[in-house]
Amino acid sequence: EAAVTQSPRNKVAVTGGKVTLSCNQTNNHNNMYWYRQDTGHGLRLIHYSYGAGSTEKGDIPDGYKASRPSQENFSLILELATPSQTSVYFCASGAGTGVAEQFFGPGTRLTVL
Amino acid sequence: GMPVEQNPPALSLYEGADSGLRCNFSTTMKSVQWFQQNHRGRLITLFYLAQGTKENGRLKSTFNSKERYSTLHIKDAQLEDSGTYFCAAEAGNNNRIFFGDGTQLVVKP
Repeated sequence: EAAVTQSPRNKVAVTGGKVTLSCNQTNNHNNMYWYRQDTGHGLRLIHYSYGAGSTEKGDIPDGYKASRPSQENFSLILELATPSQTSVYFCASGAGTGVAEQFFGPGTRLTVL
Repeated sequence: GMPVEQNPPALSLYEGADSGLRCNFSTTMKSVQWFQQNHRGRLITLFYLAQGTKENGRLKSTFNSKERYSTLHIKDAQLEDSGTYFCAAEAGNNNRIFFGDGTQLVVKP
């Protein structure tokens, strides 16, 4: 049973449109993360959360918002999508304090035209 | 410089060969995690280490926080080992996690 799921798995959006990527975890982890991965690079942290109601900026937050309405759900929101946001997005969950191991979702491929 | 430098960026092996990947850290890290990204893009966790060495089948990983590096050794490489391997390390001072840029491994018959 997959513990971290993402939806949609693939998305094509138009420039200027709003995009919401959703992540759900059944690990009961406090921490959740959103990364993007671009060809030839590792993952870069966009936003993360320590628990329901909390969102924190990562290394590349510009152009993105995040929402953590519950322990299980963490969304990444692109209010005005741009072609530079074409990427693969990964969500992850982690237990938090003192334990850094993260569990990743399958990824969402976003193309902004 | 980058918090995590991963080498080599690309590696080609024949089946049955042994090889190693390495991540060097610019600062003290508390833990490291190694992933394999398969051809479908899925990230598979191989190891999580806070110190020392772990083995799992043909894979072995070592993390030396003091010397600021981690290694992943692959023994008797198989075709299904092909993929991109990433290390990710948790910084000791701020709990942030930094990824290397990956090693693209191709195992040839």
